[in-house]
Amino acid sequence: ETGVTQSPTHLIKTRGQQVTLRCSSQSGHNTVSWYQQALGQGPQFIFQYYREEENGRGNFPPRFSGLQFPNYSSELNVNALELDDSALYLCASSLGTSGYEQYFGPGTRLTVT
Amino acid sequence: EDQVTQSPEALRLQEGESSSLNCSYTVSGLRGLFWYRQDPGKGPEFLFTLYSAGEEKEKERLKATLTKKESFLHITAPKPEDSATYLCAVQAHSSGSARQLTFGSGTQLTVLP
Repeated sequence: ETGVTQSPTHLIKTRGQQVTLRCSSQSGHNTVSWYQQALGQGPQFIFQYYREEENGRGNFPPRFSGLQFPNYSSELNVNALELDDSALYLCASSLGTSGYEQYFGPGTRLTVT
Repeated sequence: EDQVTQSPEALRLQEGESSSLNCSYTVSGLRGLFWYRQDPGKGPEFLFTLYSAGEEKEKERLKATLTKKESFLHITAPKPEDSATYLCAVQAHSSGSARQLTFGSGTQLTVLP
C-alpha cells in the first residue's frame, strides 16, 4: 500500500510570486484535504476535494485554489504570495467523504521571502 | 465555532514516568475525535479515532479515552522514542460533507532517558 506523497519537500519563493504544490493520495483513497501548519500551531483546514470538485473550504482567501485529477492526485495553488504564507503545507487523503480517518503526507515546507 | 484546547503545551518526563495529555473540545455535534503524533518537520501520523463518550482505544504504551467534553491520551512507561508532538483534532457534524479536522496546538512531549 502506497502512502500519501507530496512534492516538493522544500520551496523558497519571493513575495508576490505564485506556487504549486502537489499531492498523491494513498492507494484506494479518493478524497484529498489540504492543511496549512504554521510553526508551533496545529494544522488549519484549507479545502477538500472529492471527485474532482471542491467539497468544503476553510477561512482562506480565493488566492488559495486547488485541483483534483481523475487519478485522485491533487494540486494546491497559491497566488500573490505573502510573507505569512510561510508554513508547512500538508495533504491528507481519506476514503470518500464517509471515511473519517485522514492520513497525512510528509508536507511541503514553503518559505516566502 | 469548533474549538480544541490541548494541555499542557509542553511536558518533560523521565523514561518510565507515566502521565496524561488533555484535549478539551467544544463542537456542535461530535462526529469523531482524533489523535495524531507528529515528529519535527514531518506530517502527522494517525493514532486513534474515538466516536462516543466512554470509548477507549489502546496501542502499545498509549491509551486514548473520551468524555463528552474532553479526551485524554495516557502514556504508560514512556520511552525516549515516544518524544513527539501529540495533536488532537475533532470532526463535527456541522462540517457537512467535508470531513475537515479542527486541530489543537498540540502537546510537545519529551521523554528523557
